[in-house]
Amino acid sequence: DAGITQSPRHKVTETGTPVTLRCHQTENHRYMYWYRQDPGHGLRLIHYSYGVKDTDKGEVSDGYSVSRSKTEDFLLTLESATSSQTSVYFCAISDPRGRANVLTFGAGSRLTVL
Amino acid sequence: GNSVTQMEGPVTLSEEAFLTINCTYTATGYPSLFWYVQYPGEGLQLLLKATKADDKGSNKGFEATYRKETTSFHLEKGSVQVSDSAVYFCALSDYGGATNKLIFGTGTLLAVQP
Repeated sequence: DAGITQSPRHKVTETGTPVTLRCHQTENHRYMYWYRQDPGHGLRLIHYSYGVKDTDKGEVSDGYSVSRSKTEDFLLTLESATSSQTSVYFCAISDPRGRANVLTFGAGSRLTVL
Repeated sequence: GNSVTQMEGPVTLSEEAFLTINCTYTATGYPSLFWYVQYPGEGLQLLLKATKADDKGSNKGFEATYRKETTSFHLEKGSVQVSDSAVYFCALSDYGGATNKLIFGTGTLLAVQP
């Protein structure tokens, strides 16, 4: 997966509990992204980061927050999980110095909120 | 805003059949266009890309041509194999803010039968 590790890969949790998903990269890429994948919607951008401590919202950011304190780590937090956040979450990275706009994806984290 | 529309699946073909998956887009400016593929249980992988009008992207026997006049980027393959069974996503680059993001279509499931 080109040096991208997502953890956990699978998680089952209950409504109202906090959840944090971690994305770790070893490529030293500047840009990192969190997408969610749902049937009938494809992939939708949640949040993205263009540098350490530099983040911005995507199209479906409500209920999610992110943090990036180091180049290699990008955390996605659900402060209080809801059943509508049951999904597969993908982290991606890109390097504008190289193949611009080409995203490399992690293997995904499947989250089930009961 | 920018968007991508691709044909709904599933698409079921016999081995060695010809494949077309339609993709059209709406965008301001001149985005780059992409096809990504997702094999079962994995993250997305870049299949091919085109960065300007009339460019043809190709990889592993798949081809797509960037048609500005019809705002299309249809994916084709002359002879599919069982190993091509996967979900295919069309995407475009969305320039804005401090980074470049990708906007994805909803995905098309391809099932190839022996």
